[in-house]
Amino acid sequence: EAQVTQNPRYLITVTGKKLTVTCSQNMNHEYMSWYRQDPGLGLRQIYYSMNVEVTDKGDVPEGYKVSRKEKRNFPLILESPSPNQTSLYFCASSLFQGMANVLTFGAGSRLTVL
Amino acid sequence: GQQLNQSPQSMFIQEGEDVSMNCTSSSIFNTWLWYKQDPGEGPVLLIALYKAGELTSNGRLTAQFGITRKDSFLNISASIPSDVGIYFCAGRETSGSRLTFGEGTQLTVNP
Repeated sequence: EAQVTQNPRYLITVTGKKLTVTCSQNMNHEYMSWYRQDPGLGLRQIYYSMNVEVTDKGDVPEGYKVSRKEKRNFPLILESPSPNQTSLYFCASSLFQGMANVLTFGAGSRLTVL
Repeated sequence: GQQLNQSPQSMFIQEGEDVSMNCTSSSIFNTWLWYKQDPGEGPVLLIALYKAGELTSNGRLTAQFGITRKDSFLNISASIPSDVGIYFCAGRETSGSRLTFGEGTQLTVNP
């Protein structure tokens, strides 16, 4: 089944404890992206990647890192999480970044930082 | 980054009623997308629009790409309880630019 898989789905952690949210897609998509969803703010892009070893900042990149060493994986790294990073995170991918290419989303990862 | 203005923020309706929501942008878009997010899941694409004036249906859902290219609406006819969820519009300014998402419309359908 074609899908985007995120792990963990739920995580409670404490301020300053490094964590990684993994994202993997099995559709051979070149474009991958991370979003955070907060009430009243919709989906805001954190980072995106056009292809292997090509990453760029989205609208809210502060406090996050990403890497794209392989086409299928795009982990989101929080080096020193803070409570304002408590949110629902979505990974998404598409064949390319372009007009006719729509995003396929993962099921989400709910992160709570105490 | 630009944020689309999506309204209403929430809707509470009775089963069987029709629903309408819309998005507006200060920029001209060449793509409009509508997604639905079920509770506990990621957004799933409902309808994609690529031409100004385009009107597209998907079952009970109908969406239109505004003539000005700065707005889009989504209608749901004869709502049912499984229509509950958050509906997001998303737009793209040019063929190579990133998607911008609206704030979402939370729909509640009372049986």
